[in-house]
Amino acid sequence: DAGVIQSPRHEVTEMGQEVTLRCKPISGHDYLFWYRQTMMRGLELLIYFNNNVPIDDSGMPEDRFSAKMPNASFSTLKIQPSEPRDSAVYFCASTYGTASYTDTQYFGPGTRLTVL
Amino acid sequence: RKEVEQDPGPFNVPEGATVAFNCTYSNSASQSFFWYRQDCRKEPKLLMSVYSSGNEDGRFTAQLNRASQYISLLIRDSKLSDSATYLCVVNPGNTPLVFGKGTRLSVIA
Repeated sequence: DAGVIQSPRHEVTEMGQEVTLRCKPISGHDYLFWYRQTMMRGLELLIYFNNNVPIDDSGMPEDRFSAKMPNASFSTLKIQPSEPRDSAVYFCASTYGTASYTDTQYFGPGTRLTVL
Repeated sequence: RKEVEQDPGPFNVPEGATVAFNCTYSNSASQSFFWYRQDCRKEPKLLMSVYSSGNEDGRFTAQLNRASQYISLLIRDSKLSDSATYLCVVNPGNTPLVFGKGTRLSVIA
């Protein structure tokens, strides 16, 4: 299996621009998680999906952030407009099973976002 | 009180040393516990689960103390390749996993 795939791996953009991050989970996994990691705040859960349906988006910082999962093999996280404080590493992770909270989460390599 | 707290380190230890990390969690109803490892500029990966009876995997030993709500990770005979950030992870039971900020370990030759 190829593992969780994320693109782009690096993104540098200017304040005010729209940013779209992409994720392909491991085939067969029915849970998908979006995280943001910074030195100050560590790894924060932004939103997660079960069978393509958003379950909890309470971690999304504000309305500038949105996430979709149109099918089982693809998800996007969009920031519009982007701000310098959004600079962070964004990880996507997936897992499988009814005991999903106890199952291993498999992380993608992350997207390193820099907003100038 | 934060849900999962760890000493951020860094812990700088010589090769061959034994090093221990502790982690505390606030939710007494938490059901399961893990240690993840994150190499520099890489993604987190599961290192080991933590069972009530304690568990060992080679040079790594994990312990759980439910009464005191803390988890520990012991690394014996440290190798250069053990240098990484170690994340304490807790399953609260009704929400996704909660990750600590991590403890950074540097093993020095």
